[in-house]
Amino acid sequence: EDQVTQSPEALRLQEGESSSLNCSYTVSGLRGLFWYRQDPGKGPEFLFTLYSAGEEKEKERLKATLTKKESFLHITAPKPEDSATYLCAVQALSNSGYALNFGKGTSLLVTP
Amino acid sequence: ETGVTQTPRHLVMGMTNKKSLKCEQHLGHNAMYWYKQSAKKPLELMFVYSLEERVENNSVPSRFSPECPNSSHLFLHLHTLQPEDSALYLCASSQVSGAGVGEQYFGPGTRLTVT
Repeated sequence: EDQVTQSPEALRLQEGESSSLNCSYTVSGLRGLFWYRQDPGKGPEFLFTLYSAGEEKEKERLKATLTKKESFLHITAPKPEDSATYLCAVQALSNSGYALNFGKGTSLLVTP
Repeated sequence: ETGVTQTPRHLVMGMTNKKSLKCEQHLGHNAMYWYKQSAKKPLELMFVYSLEERVENNSVPSRFSPECPNSSHLFLHLHTLQPEDSALYLCASSQVSGAGVGEQYFGPGTRLTVT
């Protein structure tokens, strides 16, 4: 069965304190791995898509990387406005191709 | 309007009511999705429409009835709901092509409370 596990569940950082969020996955074949950011009371906002091991994508203070078993979202020198829940989702070859299997998310709080 | 819009943003309904959620996408996409988001649980895919045909229905109870009249609009008709159906209902859209189903872009959601 396809599974997506995110860790930690919650993370508190001081402004400027870099860290990484983890998304480990078990799928029979990966079509793509997606990262989203979700603010309270809002829908998820698309950040990155990664398709193959070794791929990296960057956007401002965020960098996503992918291996055959996990993905990391690295946050460099975070600011309070980076506080949000970060969601990881995988699209597997085993299903119809439309479904995304989401993790439960990591809730990030960045304090001044 | 830009992106994906949803109305209403908040809805409180009794267990015997009938209501509908509306979603509109302004991205020119050809696939639309309904998701349910409950506290402490991952997003759950409910329905998928691609080129206005339902292509996925993930064992959703019949009290939820989707409708996709065209590629820009999606509805979720609700009737005789249960309190456990209270959740954030999210609509999303993507562009499906030979290369795959593309990234999904989400609306702001409808916060539903069933009393």
